[in-house]
Amino acid sequence: DIQLTQSPSFLSASVGDRVTITCRASQGISSNLVWYQQKPGKAPELLIYAASTLQSGVPSRFSGSGSGTEFSLTISSLQPEDFATYSCQQLNDYPVTFGQGTRLEIK
Amino acid sequence: QVQLQESGPGLVKPSQTLSLTCTVSGGSVSNSAYYWSWIRQPAGGGLEWIGRVHTSGDTKYIPSLKSRVTISLDTSKNQFSLRLSSVTAADTAVYYCARWFPGSHSRWFDPWGQGTLVTVSS
Repeated sequence: DIQLTQSPSFLSASVGDRVTITCRASQGISSNLVWYQQKPGKAPELLIYAASTLQSGVPSRFSGSGSGTEFSLTISSLQPEDFATYSCQQLNDYPVTFGQGTRLEIK
Repeated sequence: QVQLQESGPGLVKPSQTLSLTCTVSGGSVSNSAYYWSWIRQPAGGGLEWIGRVHTSGDTKYIPSLKSRVTISLDTSKNQFSLRLSSVTAADTAVYYCARWFPGSHSRWFDPWGQGTLVTVSS
């Protein structure tokens, strides 16, 4: 199975900050990496697919980059509604796997 | 727009079978462009993919659950279902259904159902 390791697991930041979350794959997955945002008690929502393509309707302050085994999600200027948990997912090979999640909280 | 909604018992006894249904609206489970998937998330934990089904009848499951899980389609009701047998407390989780686009250059899960909590307890 392909393991995805996110770092950090927990991040405390302030409104207006720029933050970056990293997702590392245990083997190469090309660009088949997806990012989701999940708020408490809610289902995950698609943010970015193909490592760097923004889902329609997602604010441009979100961006993704990477390929192979190293990926990152960046939020350029945190807004109050961005405080949530972010998870990466690989869709390169079976079984589909997710990172453990990064919880982003208000400082 | 496509919407998914999970339904089923919220409490299952140990050793019994967990059965959930996902009803799809605004789209068709017969659409060959998509897979239909189940994912679960224990309280405070990460997401775990369970498996998926395609309108062709093709299925794929996570190896750790393969001996206990069945995912099937009911095209007449525009639904797909999850059955997980011989459950234990470790199967307690929020269960989500989702549509999976398995494109050659872009792949994603969207939308997701709201999720349903299943507790395994006597």
